[in-house]
Amino acid sequence: NAGVTQTPKFRVLKTGQSMTLLCAQDMNHEYMYWYRQDPGMGLRLIHYSVGEGTTAKGEVPDGYNVSRLKKQNFLLGLESAAPSQTSVYFCASSYGGPGLAGDNEQFFGPGTRLTVL
Amino acid sequence: QKEVEQDPGPLSVPEGAIVSLNCTYSNSAFQYFMWYRQYSRKGPELLMYTYSSGNKEDGRFTAQVDKSSKYISLFIRDSQPSDSATYLCAMSRTGANSKLTFGKGITLSVRP
Repeated sequence: NAGVTQTPKFRVLKTGQSMTLLCAQDMNHEYMYWYRQDPGMGLRLIHYSVGEGTTAKGEVPDGYNVSRLKKQNFLLGLESAAPSQTSVYFCASSYGGPGLAGDNEQFFGPGTRLTVL
Repeated sequence: QKEVEQDPGPLSVPEGAIVSLNCTYSNSAFQYFMWYRQYSRKGPELLMYTYSSGNKEDGRFTAQVDKSSKYISLFIRDSQPSDSATYLCAMSRTGANSKLTFGKGITLSVRP
């Protein structure tokens, strides 16, 4: 069981470049999330998905797009990177949503450190 | 006012100390309360989980929720250098569309 994996681990982009971050989970989880973590800001939700083929906006969605074509994968895209998107990006997955009783623990990946110059 | 406030720290204690970490919140609809632990350059991992008010104990860790004061705490007894990490509180409402709201995290260092 690999859990939640993220690709790549590190990346440096120039302003205006695009890239896709890949998240994969092997726990058959329905819910998947993308967060960003910045010093002094904590974890902020970018986008999330409640099942294959679904996506929804989180707290800070501007400048990002996502897709969930397969249940095990959740992609985060940056179409035109900006220095303000320099951050550590975490993907997470859970069986149920955070507001539901039962098995709703979010499992996090190791993170992707992105620098936009 | 932020929905979840957490003391920014950092916090440094000697080995064996009792550590108290706290968060306050403003949304009275929050019902699920969690503490995540994050080691340096790693993803967060769930440490404690509590529904509604009350205490929950797991080994050296105790999570406490006081909904009347909108205040949650994590106590670590007999702290160890391996407890050195960032601790994030998180909470959510009930319901299928609710989301986790995280505190900013506090970095704890336990000195040998």
